[in-house]
Amino acid sequence: SQKIEQNSEALNIQEGKTATLTCNYTNYSPAYLQWYRQDPGRGPVFLLLIRENEKEKRKERLKVTFDTTLKQSLFHITASQPADSATYLCALDKGAAGNKLTFGGGTRVLVKP
Amino acid sequence: EAQVTQNPRYLITVTGKKLTVTCSQNMNHEYMSWYRQDPGLGLRQIYYSMNVEVTDKGDVPEGYKVSRKEKRNFPLILESPSPNQTSLYFCASNRQGPNSPLHFGNGTRLTVT
Repeated sequence: SQKIEQNSEALNIQEGKTATLTCNYTNYSPAYLQWYRQDPGRGPVFLLLIRENEKEKRKERLKVTFDTTLKQSLFHITASQPADSATYLCALDKGAAGNKLTFGGGTRVLVKP
Repeated sequence: EAQVTQNPRYLITVTGKKLTVTCSQNMNHEYMSWYRQDPGLGLRQIYYSMNVEVTDKGDVPEGYKVSRKEKRNFPLILESPSPNQTSLYFCASNRQGPNSPLHFGNGTRLTVT
């Protein structure tokens, strides 16, 4: 069956360091992958989208890679700040028509000053 | 301001008492969808709509109904709520097209006793 896995354990990181989150998937051939940020009590907010033919995408201090051979995406937050503390979700399309995004369970990041 | 508005934010009800959670978006998006978020299970799609009068089941549609009579509104109806529908619910909208990111509301926390 199709599966998306994100590390369910919280990632504790010191301010200024790079946080790296993984999103692994099985039995998918996604055309694109999205990353969202979710703060407590709020809805997810879109951050980045990467297509299957793109190896890497950047936005300010964020970087996403997409390896369709390994079936993995990595999400990096460089020069992390306490304000980056949140849960980060990856989402893959199911390749069907319509609104068929499937989300991973998310990884909580805690950046300590 | 572009937004998705859900109401109410919090709802406590009893088993079997019909309820409706409203969702409205002001971005003229074609697509709207409902998700529920549960610990350890992540975000799961309940229903989605590709346009007015066009709706389809997501991954966990049992016990829910939706309607899309106007483009901006997409209410979620629980005809006979049960305790296993206690969850955090999110409405989302996006433009037509497979790469279009989702815009989420701030959620409705439902407790069914």
